[in-house]
Amino acid sequence: GQQVMQIPQYQHVQEGEDFTTYCNSSTTLSNIQWYKQRPGGHPVFLIQLVKSGEVKKQKRLTFQFGEAKKNSSLHITATQTTDVGTYFCAHRGSGNTGKLIFGQGTTLQVKP
Amino acid sequence: DGGITQSPKYLFRKEGQNVTLSCEQNLNHDAMYWYRQDPGQGLRLIYYSQIVNDFQKGDIAEGYSVSREKKESFPLTVTSAQKNPTAFYLCASKPSRDTEAFFGQGTRLTVV
Repeated sequence: GQQVMQIPQYQHVQEGEDFTTYCNSSTTLSNIQWYKQRPGGHPVFLIQLVKSGEVKKQKRLTFQFGEAKKNSSLHITATQTTDVGTYFCAHRGSGNTGKLIFGQGTTLQVKP
Repeated sequence: DGGITQSPKYLFRKEGQNVTLSCEQNLNHDAMYWYRQDPGQGLRLIYYSQIVNDFQKGDIAEGYSVSREKKESFPLTVTSAQKNPTAFYLCASKPSRDTEAFFGQGTRLTVV
């Protein structure tokens, strides 16, 4: 239960193209977090969104939280080879469980 | 340096044997987590602990056991009851419920 669906599973882009990954839930989320995992590495926290309709930017990365707090997106403008990796969304389970539940991830490949 | 240490990095186990994966953190975090990562399936929650001497099952707890006798330590035992234990195991910790998670480097377990 409380799963989030992440699409697409894989994305191959040419360097310089844009990239977007989406995270969708059937239930309202209290917050959403985004992580990046480089090949062979471990997930590293990128950002947390809490408010309805929230938009945050980190250089070429733009993060959005939907108005209904049921979906989120991560958009990368003008991808670079350093963007290669798997991007995960994650959320705290409902109630006061303390769970941290991850989506399946989107693996990004960037061709130079 | 503060952080989370998982050991060993690589582990080989014979079928029918129990094996314990170590996770130690010196970040003074209350919450700790164990995830299993398989290709294309993201991070699946095995067990989590919000406080010393307390832990809860995640989504795939069968065949695994944990203990939380000390705040800084959260070892995971993969028992012989786990049918397909070969995977990448990640340990994480958080200071509180709605904060970012910090991950260890992971342990890659292979059953031979």
